[in-house]
Amino acid sequence: ETGVTQTPRHLVMGMTNKKSLKCEQHLGHNAMYWYKQSAKKPLELMFVYSLEERVENNSVPSRFSPECPNSSHLFLHLHTLQPEDSALYLCASSQDRYIVWDRETEAFFGQGTRLTVV
Amino acid sequence: AQSVTQPDIHITVSEGASLELRCNYSYGATPYLFWYVQSPGQGLQLLLKYFSGDTLVQGIKGFEAEFKRSQSSFNLRKPSVHWSDAAEYFCAVGANTGNQFYFGTGTSLTVIP
Repeated sequence: ETGVTQTPRHLVMGMTNKKSLKCEQHLGHNAMYWYKQSAKKPLELMFVYSLEERVENNSVPSRFSPECPNSSHLFLHLHTLQPEDSALYLCASSQDRYIVWDRETEAFFGQGTRLTVV
Repeated sequence: AQSVTQPDIHITVSEGASLELRCNYSYGATPYLFWYVQSPGQGLQLLLKYFSGDTLVQGIKGFEAEFKRSQSSFNLRKPSVHWSDAAEYFCAVGANTGNQFYFGTGTSLTVIP
């Protein structure tokens, strides 16, 4: 248990559906992240939020829409996805936006949501 | 550009045998290096990290890693593998600007009795 909880754990959706992924942390962290993990590819950083403000968006298609209503919750809204969007979506959090690379800093990951687009 | 290479996609070892997982990085400045483990159905858990100082870093679960600047490597080792070590292992390098990790593609470890 890392302190970062993602729901649902598994999701199957059609290409015309709208769904949302949820991430929750009660670690007192100020920064939260969405990563995409596809088979045989490095983890891809999708979005970074700091104090509910989106600070980074790595050229992610608009069919992925993040929302951070407060520092403890992060959502990823999904709309008209493609089969190639099937992947494990990981949420992470860290103490601060600009990770100070000292010995006490690290990112904590959730268990992920396994998304299948059919 | 920063990048991480894990040359071994899959490794199989016998329980009790020693283990070494390879990681090579490309980064222009002083790297901050990490090893994460992902058990089936789980998220990523930090095993160990290197920022500076002693190049041999001790982590959790009996793992250690050695930073070798001349070889741009940060290999993960364990002297005696346990069946519960079967998992996916990810090496990552942290940029000292902003807040990005750059992950490798991972090495899948199978442990046989």
